[in-house]
Amino acid sequence: DQQVKQNSPSLSVQEGRISILNCDYTNSMFDYFLWYKKYPAEGPTFLISISSIKDKNEDGRFTVFLNKSAKHLSLHIVPSQPGDSAVYFCAASALTSYDKVIFGPGTSLSVIP
Amino acid sequence: NAGVTQTPKFRVLKTGQSMTLLCAQDMNHEYMYWYRQDPGMGLRLIHYSVGEGTTAKGEVPDGYNVSRLKKQNFLLGLESAAPSQTSVYFCATGGAALLVTQYFGPGTRLTVL
Repeated sequence: DQQVKQNSPSLSVQEGRISILNCDYTNSMFDYFLWYKKYPAEGPTFLISISSIKDKNEDGRFTVFLNKSAKHLSLHIVPSQPGDSAVYFCAASALTSYDKVIFGPGTSLSVIP
Repeated sequence: NAGVTQTPKFRVLKTGQSMTLLCAQDMNHEYMYWYRQDPGMGLRLIHYSVGEGTTAKGEVPDGYNVSRLKKQNFLLGLESAAPSQTSVYFCATGGAALLVTQYFGPGTRLTVL
């Protein structure tokens, strides 16, 4: 049973519009969440993270929102650019085992010029 | 400064053959990880190491062995390859002060016939 879920395998957005990628988790012990971005034939790269003591973290065009009661987080990209086209992985970790990170299956984002 | 490198980039094996994947890092990170990525499954942790001379099992360790004889290298071995081990393998590192954020290599695409 997947502890980190990304229910949308793919998403298409027009350039300049907002992209919203969603992630749900089941383990209430998770208290640190990350988003990674992956281009084809490359390894994932860290994008943004959020601790459970916050409900929002912003870095330029990227904002992550956390709703702990719903066990849900989302990544907003505004405005979306063609270079944002990639696979986005949501990941989670627990204070008791920060050496392990659980990844979701990923969402493939296509930003159409 | 190469970061995290993986050797080889591609490999085709026959069932029952053995091979070793090498991960090397020049980031002086304590933590190293091996993941496999399969369609719809995200990244699943195979084995990891919290320092030179240590190894631990992840989510999917069966059929794999690892060694961390030097801090900068983490080897992943397949003693008797099976078609179910066809996957893309990623190595990652993490510093002790940055346990949760990981830095990934470019991946090794392995096909077992």
